[in-house]
Amino acid sequence: GDSVTQTEGQVTVSESKSLIINCTYSATSIGYPNLFWYVRYPGEGLQLLLKVITAGQKGSSRGFEATYNKEATSFHLQKASVQESDSAVYYCALSGSNYNVLYFGSGTKLTVEP
Amino acid sequence: GGIITQTPKFLIGQEGQKLTLKCQQNFNHDTMYWYRQDSGKGLRLIYYSITENDLQKGDLSEGYDASREKKSSFSLTVTSAQKNEMAVFLCASSPRGEQYFGPGTRLTVL
Repeated sequence: GDSVTQTEGQVTVSESKSLIINCTYSATSIGYPNLFWYVRYPGEGLQLLLKVITAGQKGSSRGFEATYNKEATSFHLQKASVQESDSAVYYCALSGSNYNVLYFGSGTKLTVEP
Repeated sequence: GGIITQTPKFLIGQEGQKLTLKCQQNFNHDTMYWYRQDSGKGLRLIYYSITENDLQKGDLSEGYDASREKKSSFSLTVTSAQKNEMAVFLCASSPRGEQYFGPGTRLTVL
């Protein structure tokens, strides 16, 4: 079936440093799934950060970027310079042949230290 | 804009009890969802509904019932709460593709 893997449960980065949060996926229901990053800030609900529906394309939002790499089946989230306000839990997700259904990774908790 | 409201925010039940969680959305979205999230894990789909009176099972539907009696509301019933069960239940709605989430109901079973 379709699935998403996030290998890091927690990541700690110093403010102004760069960040990569890893996400790989397996999509057996469809050749080109839609890929998403969701974020939950402390005390807030889960919300969409960015999405990419075309292989090879890059999505961006709030200084974050993610590139849909079909060859590597990856959708890593990157930011050149993180801020304390980026501290949150980030979830990678995909939708396959049924666009109504999202498969989520286990989440990566980002802590940005001052 | 719109909002998703989940009630109650916290739910404490006894083993074997039937418990109901409610969700309301004013986005006028067609599709609504119920997810379960256990501590440190991702979201798992319990049920979704693409329109009023429609129900579709997710991977985790066993032990749950759902009801979509009108477009704006979607309820979830835990048919028999399991002792020591602790999880957050998230409701979401979607026009197509992107999902909007509610704040969650935290369930504790004693």
